[in-house]
Amino acid sequence: QSALTQPASVSGSPGQSITISCTGTSSDVGGYNFVSWYQQHPGKAPKLMIYDVSNRPSGVSNRFSGSKSGNTASLTISGLQAEDEADYYCSSYTSRSIVVFGGGTKLTVL
Amino acid sequence: EVQLVESGGGSVQPGGSLRLSCAASGFRFSSYSMNWVRQAPGKGLEWVSYISSRSSAIYYADSMKGRFTISRDDAKNSLYLQMNSLRAEDTAVYYCARLWNDRTFDYWGQGTLVTVSS
Repeated sequence: QSALTQPASVSGSPGQSITISCTGTSSDVGGYNFVSWYQQHPGKAPKLMIYDVSNRPSGVSNRFSGSKSGNTASLTISGLQAEDEADYYCSSYTSRSIVVFGGGTKLTVL
Repeated sequence: EVQLVESGGGSVQPGGSLRLSCAASGFRFSSYSMNWVRQAPGKGLEWVSYISSRSSAIYYADSMKGRFTISRDDAKNSLYLQMNSLRAEDTAVYYCARLWNDRTFDYWGQGTLVTVSS
């Protein structure tokens, strides 16, 4: 059982927007603005998409955005494209000074 | 360009040992905390272990405590994971990942597969 809870799957049509949630506790997501999101295509290493809740690394499309409310963080992808189909993982810094992951969400672009 | 290259994976029988290595380049290795993260076949990411710069702090996931040992050699720009008493459930791709600001995995290696089976 993962430390952070994500939906197993989400789907959307090209051009639409989707949101993936990541629920933790006050000891992780709710206690720090240190949530990150990673994209992983099959057979590839994860790629950082969002850090510190809502910041995008250089080179990541502005179609990806992040937010947080209480113990739940969210990743929103707007203008869905076929290449966005992948697994997405959230992570959070915790009160134990380690980083934990969510269980992952499979995004299907219909 | 930041590069992390893992090696040392392979097949081992239950109870056996393996030592994974991660060669780092393109950045000041000694200044960064480093981690091992694993992914069992068809499963999600699982944090394994953390080592701070200068090895002043080391942490393990509960299921790895007492069996795995993380270490680093800053002179060789290398990270290691000694894995003992391996179990079938340790079968996974093991990734080396750089930790930025102690909270974000900003660079990942390509992973090395460890298979524990009789």
